[in-house]
Amino acid sequence: QVQLQESGPGLVKPSETLSLTCVVSDDSINDFYWSWIRQAPGTGPEWIGFIHKSGSSNYSPSLRSRVTMSIDTSKNQFSLSLTSVTAADTALYYCARVRSGSFWFFDLWGRGTLVTVSS
Amino acid sequence: EVVMTQSPATLSVSPGESATLSCRASQSVNYNLAWYQQKPGQAPRLLISGTSARAAGVPARFSGSGSGTEFTLTISSVQSEDLGVYYCQQYNKWPPLTFGGGTRVAI
Repeated sequence: QVQLQESGPGLVKPSETLSLTCVVSDDSINDFYWSWIRQAPGTGPEWIGFIHKSGSSNYSPSLRSRVTMSIDTSKNQFSLSLTSVTAADTALYYCARVRSGSFWFFDLWGRGTLVTVSS
Repeated sequence: EVVMTQSPATLSVSPGESATLSCRASQSVNYNLAWYQQKPGQAPRLLISGTSARAAGVPARFSGSGSGTEFTLTISSVQSEDLGVYYCQQYNKWPPLTFGGGTRVAI
């Protein structure tokens, strides 16, 4: 069964860049769209964006100016970069698989990685 | 942006009872609505897509209904393992894809 595993620093200083990577356990990375989603404590999930092996990507308008996603199919992984972070970016960050290019919901999630923004 | 509003915030039920969770969209999302279950300390799990289609392995006691702006997730005969927070998500009009604030089911 396909698994997703997030990794990255758990602590980032304000104004710096948050960088996370998600490893997909098999080469199905070639067959789907892949997303990042975050969840601040006590709130609902917030979609950050998605990326496809073709390079196609789409970001949430509220984060678009600070977000970049990339994908490396040779390593079965995709990444998130979020610049100029503040305390408001403190959250549990999940990577997730989009069901298909026609149905934009998430049928597989990683376990999540907690990122705290603090000096 | 399509705003998703869930009610109630918390629902307390006894085992064997039925639970009804509501999700309202600020504009029509047709049938493009998914439900997720998040158990304590776990990632969300897809329960239902397309308003009413259960994901693989989801028990039949979970059912979804609605259309347009009003949606319902029903858990018939709630089990103790059903405790957690339930979120709805619309995928009709985006970006952004948007989630509701969640309903906590307490047993």
